[in-house]
Amino acid sequence: EPEVTQTPSHQVTQMGQEVILRCVPISNHLYFYWYRQILGQKVEFLVSFYNNEISEKSEIFDDQFSVERPDGSNFTLKIRSTKLEDSAMYFCASSEWSAGSSYEQYFGPGTRLTVT
Amino acid sequence: TQLLEQSPQFLSIQEGENLTVYCNSSSVFSSLQWYRQEPGEGPVLLVTVVTGGEVKKLKRLTFQFGDARKDSSLHITAAQPGDTGLYLCAGDQSGAGSYQLTFGKGTKLSVIP
Repeated sequence: EPEVTQTPSHQVTQMGQEVILRCVPISNHLYFYWYRQILGQKVEFLVSFYNNEISEKSEIFDDQFSVERPDGSNFTLKIRSTKLEDSAMYFCASSEWSAGSSYEQYFGPGTRLTVT
Repeated sequence: TQLLEQSPQFLSIQEGENLTVYCNSSSVFSSLQWYRQEPGEGPVLLVTVVTGGEVKKLKRLTFQFGDARKDSSLHITAAQPGDTGLYLCAGDQSGAGSYQLTFGKGTKLSVIP
């Protein structure tokens, strides 16, 4: 069964450093998302991406964040200058274009980002 | 900001018992998705309900979407230890052009053998 994959599974970085989290969405999916989950809290939406551009973003997704689809398979989240409060699990998700239907989202296993 | 309230937050029951988990909001959602999440892993999609009043069954799990599409419930019959986990509901408003999911805080279920 197709699945979303994410690398690395765990990333430790120092405050102020740049990190890039990578995702390979399900191959025939056209909508891509990033969410994060701070330990013990609920899953929060960061950004959605469709047709090579951002379609929605939350207040969390400020100028320190960017997303990119550098090739036909990868979808990346970059944090330019990490802060302690960026420590969280970051989940990538994808959904299939399905006009008139719900947009079921399938999540990857996550990248645990630890900022020290 | 749309909010989804899940209750109860924690639930500990004996194997074989029935249980219901609730997901409520004051907002209308185009669809509600139920996920199960294990510690340190990503949410795994269980089911999506789209139509008001819709009922879907997945083995011993029954999911219902409220008539007004503001609430949903998950009922588990004869719970098994393998049902132990965190159950999350999440809604979208794709009908209004927003595909982001709003998640509830989850219900942590523990089924004791």
